[in-house]
Amino acid sequence: KQEVTQIPAALSVPEGENLVLNCSFTDSAIYNLQWFRQDPGKGLTSLLLIQSSQREQTSGRLNASLDKSSGRSTLYIAASQPGDSATYLCVVDQGGKLIFGQGTELSVKP
Amino acid sequence: GAVVSQHPSRVICKSGTSVKIECRSLDFQATTMFWYRQFPKQSLMLMATSNEGSKATYEQGVEKDKFLINHASLTLSTLTVTSAHPEDSSFYICSALKAGGSNEKLFFGSGTQLSVL
Repeated sequence: KQEVTQIPAALSVPEGENLVLNCSFTDSAIYNLQWFRQDPGKGLTSLLLIQSSQREQTSGRLNASLDKSSGRSTLYIAASQPGDSATYLCVVDQGGKLIFGQGTELSVKP
Repeated sequence: GAVVSQHPSRVICKSGTSVKIECRSLDFQATTMFWYRQFPKQSLMLMATSNEGSKATYEQGVEKDKFLINHASLTLSTLTVTSAHPEDSSFYICSALKAGGSNEKLFFGSGTQLSVL
């Protein structure tokens, strides 16, 4: 059974810091992996999608990596801003079935 | 980009009433839609997979008679919480699958916060 774990559960950093969010999964047979952002009481915003054949994806200040063999993905946020404050979810797709991590709650202090 | 509209965004109802939540893909056809539920401080959990023109597939532990799913068209899926009770209070979110081979991608609605009094 696929399990997705995100570390840390919560993170508070001062504005401007570079930070890394970690995601691990137990079954390497995945279709793809996505990182989402969830703002309180709101839906999900897709940040980055990494196909199983890819190693990383970049969008602006965000970079996500995928190492299927070790069951790990990281989301790197450069030069963090208060607007980055949200919960970040790592989601593994196993052929149409999504397995969600519990998220990392990020707070960026001005 | 692709948009999924979910309505209503928030609903408060009395115990025993039924609540319908709509999920629409606005600019693409979605053969498959998914419904999730999220309790406070917990992960999003898949409730059911909705396929256009056929019965939904429910995850273990989800009562199909309580959470009625209808996917009558390629752009609309509805979730009806029947005889809602306070323990059904949760954040419900839908997603629609936009087909496209290797570019297949899920798009999410903005969610519905259900509060049952």
